[in-house]
Amino acid sequence: SQTIHQWPATLVQPVGSPLSLECTVEGTSNPNLYWYRQAAGRGLQLLFYSVGIGQISSEVPQNLSASRPQDRQFILSSKKLLLSDSGFYLCAWYPGTGNEKLFFGSGTQLSVL
Amino acid sequence: RKEVEQDPGPFNVPEGATVAFNCTYSNSASQSFFWYRQDCRKEPKLLMSVYSSGNEDGRFTAQLNRASQYISLLIRDSKLSDSATYLCVVNSPGEDSSYKLIFGSGTRLLVRP
Repeated sequence: SQTIHQWPATLVQPVGSPLSLECTVEGTSNPNLYWYRQAAGRGLQLLFYSVGIGQISSEVPQNLSASRPQDRQFILSSKKLLLSDSGFYLCAWYPGTGNEKLFFGSGTQLSVL
Repeated sequence: RKEVEQDPGPFNVPEGATVAFNCTYSNSASQSFFWYRQDCRKEPKLLMSVYSSGNEDGRFTAQLNRASQYISLLIRDSKLSDSATYLCVVNSPGEDSSYKLIFGSGTRLLVRP
């Protein structure tokens, strides 16, 4: 069966420090992968999505970047965090072949202080 | 204009009430539609997919109106446990024939005793 792993669960980082959040998928190949962010009391904002290795589409220009070095690995990064980067980050996987649900990781609560 | 728009609420209803949420989307080429439920600081969970013919799952009914580009969710006989944020999700065409899953900002439902 397909599973999606995301870590860490919580992270407290100082302003200006780097960031690396990792997401891996098991049980499938060539998945469509997504990074979302959710600010407190707000909806999910699509940050990046990827349909294959090395293919990244950015939805919102910002302080973050994404990479897909392997088929089932999706990484969210920043060189220097801002206070506004605080939020709940979710990695997700979508089969993309019809009315199939989105599989979410358990999320990372990032606090930038 | 946002790609997916929802009334943020909150909707504050008594137990047993019927409540309806609407969601509009801007891209007429959107293919798939979903309602997700999210409890505080947890990953969203699929509530139901939305089909053109409308679909029902127990107390929940979803409808799609492609001509007017909106989807709806009806909850009958509300329970306290229905209190959550309900997210509308639309699968819209992205780059390179890929699809991106866009979330509405969510509608918060509070069911009171």
